[in-house]
Amino acid sequence: QKEVEQDPGPLSVPEGAIVSLNCTYSNSAFQYFMWYRQYSRKGPELLMYTYSSGNKEDGRFTAQVDKSSKYISLFIRDSQPSDSATYLCAMRVQAGTALIFGKGTTLSVSS
Amino acid sequence: DTGVSQDPRHKITKRGQNVTFRCDPISEHNRLYWYRQTLGQGPEFLTYFQNEAQLEKSRLLSDRFSAERPKGSFSTLEIQRTEQGDSAMYLCASSLEWGRGADTQYFGPGTRLTVL
Repeated sequence: QKEVEQDPGPLSVPEGAIVSLNCTYSNSAFQYFMWYRQYSRKGPELLMYTYSSGNKEDGRFTAQVDKSSKYISLFIRDSQPSDSATYLCAMRVQAGTALIFGKGTTLSVSS
Repeated sequence: DTGVSQDPRHKITKRGQNVTFRCDPISEHNRLYWYRQTLGQGPEFLTYFQNEAQLEKSRLLSDRFSAERPKGSFSTLEIQRTEQGDSAMYLCASSLEWGRGADTQYFGPGTRLTVL
């Protein structure tokens, strides 16, 4: 079992839909949780950063962390074609250590 | 702030050749990370520098791989005697150690290596 599991999709939705992306993990020591967006042949771009449990909202994006279930989510409201990309969850035990990534979920938003 | 830059963006080489990649981090960032990403996978950690000191190396970093950050600024990743299994995107990331937004890793565009 990998430390971080993420369904690779692909996930296809119409423009305006609410998108839910999820990751599960096995290491209860993870404390820092991130979501990155990666366009084809580009480097990952940080979207959301959460420390420990709770919710964080930034514009159309909401990140949720449930440490008791070892489950994190990213919600995208009013999805746009420009949101079409691969979404990677990442986490680490403490500051300054390596990020452990999921495989990424490929999202396609059609107009 | 020009972001993290990597050079070259693409490299095609023949099996057995040596290759070297360069990463220039965001100027005030003292932490620098190397990751490798293969098709359909998330990035996997290779190694990490704080200033010029290499503090951590993954078991993925075989003896054929070596990384340096001689003056605590840019870094190089060298692969000797390349193998077809080395074909991947090599990503560099950097972060601050202290201060606002510390330890948020910002990634460069990557170097795509193809070993024939």
